[in-house]
Amino acid sequence: EAGVTQFPSHSVIEKGQTVTLRCDPISGHDNLYWYRRVMGKEIKFLLHFVKESKQDESGMPNNRFLAERTGGTYSTLKVQPAELEDSGVYFCASSQEGGDSRSSYNEQFFGPGTRLTVL
Amino acid sequence: QKEVEQNSGPLSVPEGAIASLNCTYSDRGSQSFFWYRQYSGKSPELIMSIYSNGDKEDGRFTAQLNKASQYVSLLIRDSQPSDSATYLCAVSPYSGGGADGLTFGKGTHLIIQP
Repeated sequence: EAGVTQFPSHSVIEKGQTVTLRCDPISGHDNLYWYRRVMGKEIKFLLHFVKESKQDESGMPNNRFLAERTGGTYSTLKVQPAELEDSGVYFCASSQEGGDSRSSYNEQFFGPGTRLTVL
Repeated sequence: QKEVEQNSGPLSVPEGAIASLNCTYSDRGSQSFFWYRQYSGKSPELIMSIYSNGDKEDGRFTAQLNKASQYVSLLIRDSQPSDSATYLCAVSPYSGGGADGLTFGKGTHLIIQP
Protein backbone atom coordinates (compact mmCIF):
# COMPACT_ATOMS: atom_id res chain seq x y z
CA GLU A 1 0.00 0.00 0.00
CA ALA A 2 1.42 3.38 -1.01
CA GLY A 3 1.98 5.88 1.76
CA VAL A 4 1.30 9.60 1.82
CA THR A 5 3.13 11.35 -0.99
CA GLN A 6 4.01 15.02 -1.34
CA PHE A 7 5.26 17.13 -4.20
CA PRO A 8 7.64 18.83 -4.61
CA SER A 9 10.20 17.60 -2.11
CA HIS A 10 11.97 20.95 -2.18
CA SER A 11 10.98 24.41 -3.36
CA VAL A 12 13.07 27.58 -3.36
CA ILE A 13 11.22 30.77 -4.24
CA GLU A 14 11.67 34.48 -3.77
CA LYS A 15 9.63 36.60 -1.43
CA GLY A 16 6.40 37.66 -3.08
CA GLN A 17 6.15 34.63 -5.34
CA THR A 18 3.49 31.95 -5.22
CA VAL A 19 4.05 28.30 -4.40
CA THR A 20 1.64 25.37 -4.48
CA LEU A 21 2.30 22.21 -2.52
CA ARG A 22 0.51 18.97 -3.24
CA CYS A 23 -0.38 16.02 -1.01
CA ASP A 24 -1.80 12.64 -1.97
CA PRO A 25 -3.11 10.80 1.09
CA ILE A 26 -3.20 7.06 1.61
CA SER A 27 -5.97 5.59 -0.54
CA GLY A 28 -9.23 5.40 1.39
CA HIS A 29 -8.22 7.90 4.07
CA ASP A 30 -10.92 10.53 4.45
CA ASN A 31 -8.94 12.66 6.91
CA LEU A 32 -6.13 14.82 5.56
CA TYR A 33 -4.01 17.19 7.62
CA TRP A 34 -1.42 19.83 6.89
CA TYR A 35 1.35 20.63 9.36
CA ARG A 36 4.39 22.87 9.27
CA ARG A 37 7.73 22.77 11.05
CA VAL A 38 9.69 25.98 11.19
CA MET A 39 13.40 25.59 12.05
CA GLY A 40 13.93 25.16 15.78
CA LYS A 41 10.23 24.84 16.53
CA GLU A 42 7.83 21.99 16.97
CA ILE A 43 5.56 20.64 14.22
CA LYS A 44 2.44 22.81 14.15
CA PHE A 45 -1.03 21.86 12.95
CA LEU A 46 -2.40 23.98 10.10
CA LEU A 47 -5.70 22.43 9.03
CA HIS A 48 -7.78 19.31 8.71
CA PHE A 49 -10.00 18.09 5.87
CA VAL A 50 -12.65 15.42 6.12
CA LYS A 51 -13.12 14.39 2.52
CA GLU A 52 -13.49 17.72 0.68
CA SER A 53 -14.65 19.75 3.70
CA LYS A 54 -12.45 21.84 5.96
CA GLN A 55 -13.07 20.47 9.44
CA ASP A 56 -10.64 22.70 11.29
CA GLU A 57 -8.46 25.46 9.91
CA SER A 58 -7.59 27.07 13.22
CA GLY A 59 -3.86 26.64 12.63
CA MET A 60 -3.67 28.51 9.34
CA PRO A 61 -1.34 31.47 10.00
CA ASN A 62 -3.06 34.05 7.76
CA ASN A 63 -5.02 34.56 4.56
CA ARG A 64 -1.93 34.13 2.40
CA PHE A 65 -2.43 30.40 2.84
CA LEU A 66 -5.16 28.61 0.89
CA ALA A 67 -5.83 24.90 1.11
CA GLU A 68 -8.12 22.92 -1.13
CA ARG A 69 -9.17 19.32 -1.48
CA THR A 70 -11.42 19.12 -4.49
CA GLY A 71 -13.15 15.76 -4.86
CA GLY A 72 -11.87 14.62 -1.50
CA THR A 73 -8.72 13.05 -2.90
CA TYR A 74 -5.46 15.00 -3.12
CA SER A 75 -4.98 18.38 -1.49
CA THR A 76 -3.07 21.50 -2.41
CA LEU A 77 -1.69 24.21 -0.15
CA LYS A 78 -1.00 27.51 -1.86
CA VAL A 79 1.06 30.30 -0.35
CA GLN A 80 0.51 33.64 -2.06
CA PRO A 81 2.48 35.86 -1.72
CA ALA A 82 5.22 33.99 0.12
CA GLU A 83 7.10 35.73 2.94
CA LEU A 84 10.45 34.89 4.52
CA GLU A 85 8.79 33.50 7.66
CA ASP A 86 6.93 30.91 5.56
CA SER A 87 10.15 28.92 5.17
CA GLY A 88 10.00 25.49 6.76
CA VAL A 89 8.98 21.91 6.13
CA TYR A 90 5.34 21.35 5.26
CA PHE A 91 4.03 17.91 6.16
CA CYS A 92 0.83 16.26 5.09
CA ALA A 93 -0.74 13.40 7.02
CA SER A 94 -3.80 11.23 6.59
CA SER A 95 -5.92 8.94 8.73
CA GLN A 96 -8.93 6.69 8.27
CA GLU A 97 -12.41 7.93 9.04
CA GLY A 98 -13.16 6.42 12.44
CA GLY A 99 -10.34 3.94 12.28
CA ASP A 100 -10.72 0.20 12.56
CA SER A 101 -11.28 0.37 16.29
CA ARG A 102 -10.92 2.64 19.23
CA SER A 103 -7.36 1.43 19.54
CA SER A 104 -6.34 2.89 16.19
CA TYR A 105 -8.43 6.02 16.08
CA ASN A 106 -6.82 9.16 14.74
CA GLU A 107 -3.54 7.43 13.92
CA GLN A 108 -2.03 9.78 11.41
CA PHE A 109 0.54 8.77 8.83
CA PHE A 110 2.89 11.40 7.53
CA GLY A 111 4.28 12.13 4.11
CA PRO A 112 7.95 12.97 3.46
CA GLY A 113 7.30 16.70 3.57
CA THR A 114 8.06 19.63 1.29
CA ARG A 115 10.98 21.81 2.31
CA LEU A 116 10.09 25.39 1.37
CA THR A 117 12.74 28.09 1.32
CA VAL A 118 11.68 31.67 0.75
CA LEU A 119 14.58 34.01 -0.13
CA GLN B 1 -2.39 27.49 24.64
CA LYS B 2 -2.04 23.73 24.49
CA GLU B 3 1.53 22.61 25.08
CA VAL B 4 3.48 19.40 24.93
CA GLU B 5 6.84 19.41 26.67
CA GLN B 6 9.78 17.12 26.04
CA ASN B 7 13.41 17.24 27.08
CA SER B 8 15.28 18.03 23.87
CA GLY B 9 18.32 15.94 24.85
CA PRO B 10 20.46 14.57 23.48
CA LEU B 11 19.74 11.48 25.56
CA SER B 12 22.63 9.07 25.29
CA VAL B 13 22.00 5.38 26.09
CA PRO B 14 24.36 2.42 25.69
CA GLU B 15 23.39 -0.31 23.25
CA GLY B 16 21.25 -2.99 24.88
CA ALA B 17 20.04 -0.74 27.68
CA ILE B 18 16.55 0.71 28.22
CA ALA B 19 15.89 4.16 26.81
CA SER B 20 13.25 6.16 28.66
CA LEU B 21 11.61 9.13 26.96
CA ASN B 22 9.19 11.44 28.75
CA CYS B 23 6.49 13.89 27.78
CA THR B 24 4.07 16.13 29.67
CA TYR B 25 1.04 17.90 28.26
CA SER B 26 -1.00 20.87 29.44
CA ASP B 27 -4.50 20.14 28.05
CA ARG B 28 -6.30 18.03 30.61
CA GLY B 29 -8.95 17.21 27.97
CA SER B 30 -6.43 15.30 25.85
CA GLN B 31 -7.58 11.80 25.05
CA SER B 32 -5.19 10.23 22.54
CA PHE B 33 -1.42 10.12 22.66
CA PHE B 34 1.17 9.16 20.09
CA TRP B 35 4.88 8.59 19.77
CA TYR B 36 6.57 9.24 16.45
CA ARG B 37 10.14 8.49 15.46
CA GLN B 38 11.85 10.87 13.05
CA TYR B 39 15.19 10.24 11.42
CA SER B 40 17.09 13.29 10.24
CA GLY B 41 15.55 14.68 7.06
CA LYS B 42 12.75 12.12 7.06
CA SER B 43 9.06 12.19 7.92
CA PRO B 44 7.66 11.32 11.36
CA GLU B 45 6.90 7.60 11.63
CA LEU B 46 4.14 6.46 14.00
CA ILE B 47 5.45 3.86 16.42
CA MET B 48 2.96 3.83 19.30
CA SER B 49 -0.51 5.07 20.19
CA ILE B 50 -2.11 4.93 23.63
CA TYR B 51 -5.54 6.01 24.83
CA SER B 52 -6.01 4.56 28.34
CA ASN B 53 -4.09 4.88 31.56
CA GLY B 54 -1.46 2.22 32.05
CA ASP B 55 1.03 0.47 29.82
CA LYS B 56 0.83 -0.63 26.21
CA GLU B 57 3.52 -2.90 24.82
CA ASP B 58 4.49 -3.51 21.20
CA GLY B 59 7.69 -5.45 20.66
CA ARG B 60 10.58 -3.58 22.24
CA PHE B 61 8.43 -0.49 22.80
CA THR B 62 6.23 0.26 25.80
CA ALA B 63 4.10 3.38 26.08
CA GLN B 64 2.94 4.50 29.51
CA LEU B 65 0.11 6.95 30.17
CA ASN B 66 -0.89 8.68 33.39
CA LYS B 67 -3.71 11.14 32.71
CA ALA B 68 -3.90 12.32 36.33
CA SER B 69 -0.28 13.47 36.12
CA GLN B 70 -0.62 14.48 32.44
CA TYR B 71 2.40 12.38 31.64
CA VAL B 72 3.28 10.02 28.78
CA SER B 73 6.44 8.01 28.41
CA LEU B 74 8.06 5.66 25.93
CA LEU B 75 10.41 2.89 26.94
CA ILE B 76 12.66 1.21 24.37
CA ARG B 77 14.12 -2.07 25.56
CA ASP B 78 17.31 -3.61 24.19
CA SER B 79 18.21 -0.33 22.48
CA GLN B 80 19.87 -0.63 19.09
CA PRO B 81 21.98 1.91 17.17
CA SER B 82 19.12 2.03 14.62
CA ASP B 83 16.91 3.48 17.37
CA SER B 84 18.98 6.66 17.28
CA ALA B 85 16.52 9.32 16.12
CA THR B 86 14.33 12.14 17.37
CA TYR B 87 11.23 10.94 19.21
CA LEU B 88 8.17 13.15 19.02
CA CYS B 89 5.31 13.07 21.49
CA ALA B 90 1.93 14.11 20.05
CA VAL B 91 -1.39 14.66 21.77
CA SER B 92 -4.96 15.01 20.53
CA PRO B 93 -8.19 16.09 22.22
CA TYR B 94 -10.18 13.32 20.49
CA SER B 95 -13.48 12.96 22.28
CA GLY B 96 -15.43 10.68 19.97
CA GLY B 97 -16.75 13.43 17.72
CA GLY B 98 -14.11 13.18 15.07
CA ALA B 99 -10.41 13.00 14.33
CA ASP B 100 -8.29 15.95 15.34
CA GLY B 101 -5.08 17.76 14.57
CA LEU B 102 -2.16 16.79 16.77
CA THR B 103 -0.17 18.99 19.13
CA PHE B 104 3.50 18.03 19.04
CA GLY B 105 6.40 18.45 21.40
CA LYS B 106 9.76 19.55 20.04
CA GLY B 107 11.11 16.03 20.34
CA THR B 108 13.89 14.26 22.22
CA HIS B 109 17.07 13.40 20.35
CA LEU B 110 18.09 9.87 21.33
CA ILE B 111 21.57 8.51 20.69
CA ILE B 112 22.30 4.81 21.17
CA GLN B 113 26.00 4.28 21.75
CA PRO B 114 27.41 1.03 20.29
